[in-house]
Amino acid sequence: KAGVTQTPRYLIKTRGQQVTLSCSPISGHRSVSWYQQTPGQGLQFLFEYFSETQRNKGNFPGRFSGRQFSNSRSEMNVSTLELGDSALYLCASSPRGSHRDTNLDTQYFGPGTRLTVL
Amino acid sequence: GIQVEQSPPDLILQEGANSTLRCNFSDSVNNLQWFHQNPWGQLINLFYIPSGTKQNGRLSATTVATERYSLLYISSSQTTDSGVYFCAAVTSGSARQLTFGSGTQLTVLP
Repeated sequence: KAGVTQTPRYLIKTRGQQVTLSCSPISGHRSVSWYQQTPGQGLQFLFEYFSETQRNKGNFPGRFSGRQFSNSRSEMNVSTLELGDSALYLCASSPRGSHRDTNLDTQYFGPGTRLTVL
Repeated sequence: GIQVEQSPPDLILQEGANSTLRCNFSDSVNNLQWFHQNPWGQLINLFYIPSGTKQNGRLSATTVATERYSLLYISSSQTTDSGVYFCAAVTSGSARQLTFGSGTQLTVLP
């Protein structure tokens, strides 16, 4: 099976712009989560989507949003970019779709999108 | 929320040495995973191990859920083992939200 793919891999934007990142999960995986990694804050959870619904959201401002399509592909959007949004954005997919059966909870990560805000 | 602490923060080894990385967590967990972050930033799955012991080649992991810690063992280390190792946990009721530790930076010298 192909792994989690993310596009683009690198992105340079200026303050005030908006950006959309894309994530394609492993085939058959229905859950997609997004994480932000910065040197100062480490790896932090942004949100999780399952069946086109946001299941859980981390402690980020409303400028960060996402969505999931019927084929499980997901996008995240950051509006009004700030310098502090420069980070590696990682997407992860997971096979399962309910809160039971934790054996299917393993999360598999994509290569990430490195966003630089100037 | 759950706190995840890793130790040591940095570890420098000679090739061929063994090492143990530790992960302490503050609450009971439904999911605990170990990852290796490669130089390009991708998180590579090592183990899904909310409890018990697993082995994969030179790597093994043990989680003692009742005492809220997990250990990652690397035997006969190689230079390609260098990188940052993360553990991450999910608690009951938080769906699949992984809370990460701050990582252990491992450097294996030739």
